[in-house]
Amino acid sequence: EAQVTQNPRYLITVTGKKLTVTCSQNMNHEYMSWYRQDPGLGLRQIYYSMNVEVTDKGDVPEGYKVSRKEKRNFPLILESPSPNQTSLYFCASSPWFAGGQETQYFGPGTRLLVL
Amino acid sequence: GEDVEQSLFLSVREGDSSVINCTYTDSSSTYLYWYKQEPGAGLQLLTYIFSNMDMKQDQRLTVLLNKKDKHLSLRIADTQTGDSAIYFCAENAGNMLTFGGGTRLMVKP
Repeated sequence: EAQVTQNPRYLITVTGKKLTVTCSQNMNHEYMSWYRQDPGLGLRQIYYSMNVEVTDKGDVPEGYKVSRKEKRNFPLILESPSPNQTSLYFCASSPWFAGGQETQYFGPGTRLLVL
Repeated sequence: GEDVEQSLFLSVREGDSSVINCTYTDSSSTYLYWYKQEPGAGLQLLTYIFSNMDMKQDQRLTVLLNKKDKHLSLRIADTQTGDSAIYFCAENAGNMLTFGGGTRLMVKP
């Protein structure tokens, strides 16, 4: 089954404790991205990756890191989480980012609470 | 990034039509999208429209695009309780998607 998986689904942590949210897709997609969703703000893109070893900042990259060592995986790293990073995070992938028919497939989301 | 704006909330009765509106700012966007998010789930692409089109119809869904006013709308005919969800419009800007804040659609029986 074609899917995007994220782990963990729920996470409570404390300020400053490094964490990683994993994202994996089994569709051989080139394009992967991370979003955060906050009430009234919709989804804002954090980082995206056009292919292996190619990453770029989205609208809200501060406080986050990503890596793309393999095509299927795109982990999101919070080196020193802060309470303003409490949010719902989505990973997404698509074959290519040319718009239109290239649907982005979304993961189920990771709900993060930073105390 | 560019701003994409939507009203926060819409309530309709089952069987009525729903119209969700969106304004965007990037005139260079080539595609505009509508996504649906059901409770506890990720986003699902509903439909999209290419910027050189004025209208696109797909079963109960009709998308209207007014490029002059940078206005996008989604009409859902014969709205059902299963249509209750948050609807996001989005525009592509280069290699990124910019989303609106989402419109929560509530369908009353």
